[in-house]
Amino acid sequence: GAGVSQSPSNKVTEKGKDVELRCDPISGHTALYWYRQRLGQGLEFLIYFQGNSAPDKSGLPSDRFSAERTGESVSTLTIQRTQQEDSAVYLCASSLGTGVPNIQYFGAGTRLSVL
Amino acid sequence: AQSVTQLGSHVSVSEGALVLLRCNYSSSVPPYLFWYVQYPNQGLQLLLKYTSAATLVKGINGFEAEFKKSETSFHLTKPSAHMRDAAEYFCAVSTGTASKLTFGTGTRLQVTL
Repeated sequence: GAGVSQSPSNKVTEKGKDVELRCDPISGHTALYWYRQRLGQGLEFLIYFQGNSAPDKSGLPSDRFSAERTGESVSTLTIQRTQQEDSAVYLCASSLGTGVPNIQYFGAGTRLSVL
Repeated sequence: AQSVTQLGSHVSVSEGALVLLRCNYSSSVPPYLFWYVQYPNQGLQLLLKYTSAATLVKGINGFEAEFKKSETSFHLTKPSAHMRDAAEYFCAVSTGTASKLTFGTGTRLQVTL
């Protein structure tokens, strides 16, 4: 596609439910990133995929958070047993994965509200 | 380790006035620096990037930023603000070819008539 696509754009869920957020990167981009943006704060890195390498999960805040990516295509971020502090905008970005520096292109995000 | 500090969570300027948004960074290796802009309900859009090729970097929409190693700064400026510049601006640093970005907490720019 022309840009990074994320769905849904908004998600309201009840505390304790599981949610799945989807990211469709720019075609040909080998690197994919997930970030979290809490209200009034900057973006926090969550996880990074690069080709077939093991993902960098160093930013995941707890074991309730996980992400998968199939090849160099779609990624899903899953949050299990959601808590109110998980409420945030979840942003996905993709990049070519090569070149210096590597420019990340962002989607519009998924706004998650946990009631 | 790397970090970014943006001084001023809110900046208000009059239309036509100079815009100055401050960013200081910390990095143990030569950094790559970025400014992104976020309009309401949209994703982040790259304004400009520093890659060590030139210390004064020009970006889109008339913005520019100057890398000052001695001050560990990468402040964003625009000579004359427009109403359409009202948005949130994020400074970010990375240290690798395809590494994560570390963001500042953002500065919300308000432009008044």
